[in-house]
Amino acid sequence: DQQVKQNSPSLSVQEGRISILNCDYTNSMFDYFLWYKKYPAEGPTFLISISSIKDKNEDGRFTVFLNKSAKHLSLHIVPSQPGDSAVYFCAADQGGSEKLVFGKGTKLTVNP
Amino acid sequence: GAVVSQHPSWVICKSGTSVKIECRSLDFQATTMFWYRQFPKQSLMLMATSNEGSKATYEQGVEKDKFLINHASLTLSTLTVTSAHPEDSSFYICSARGRRGAEDTQYFGPGTRLTVL
Repeated sequence: DQQVKQNSPSLSVQEGRISILNCDYTNSMFDYFLWYKKYPAEGPTFLISISSIKDKNEDGRFTVFLNKSAKHLSLHIVPSQPGDSAVYFCAADQGGSEKLVFGKGTKLTVNP
Repeated sequence: GAVVSQHPSWVICKSGTSVKIECRSLDFQATTMFWYRQFPKQSLMLMATSNEGSKATYEQGVEKDKFLINHASLTLSTLTVTSAHPEDSSFYICSARGRRGAEDTQYFGPGTRLTVL
């Protein structure tokens, strides 16, 4: 049973436009969410996180929105750049467990 | 710059041999280190959690006698794949949890590509 789902395996956007990556979760005990970016044959790089006490967190071009009632979060990248092309993983953390549960990832391609 | 290193970055070995992968946190002390495995086009699957000085906690379905984890210090954890077989071929990634500045989160290593012939 997948507790963290990224239903879109891939997404393609034009440079300069907004990229929206979605993530759904089923475990209501998750209270901290993270987005990681991963290039092929490299480890994931931490991008941005959000606590369940917030509904929005912004860092430069990256904004994460959390809708607890819908158990849904999204990562917005604006404006998108070709260098943003990578696989993006959504991860969830249950308070005190220290274990991250990852989605399967969404491959983002930003076309020049 | 990198905050977690892994060595080697790739390794090819014969079936039946053992392979050791090192994971180091470079500029912080890691309270906990994690070992993940990733198959092509799949998510990262947590294999085990290790705390310095204590036995690792393995996830369900992961053979502890096959995947030996040693967390010798607050900056070093090793994963040894014993008697490796072709089905063990995968991308192994470690992460270290600790505090760097204001952030307390997991930082991932670059991964190790294991190919068992």
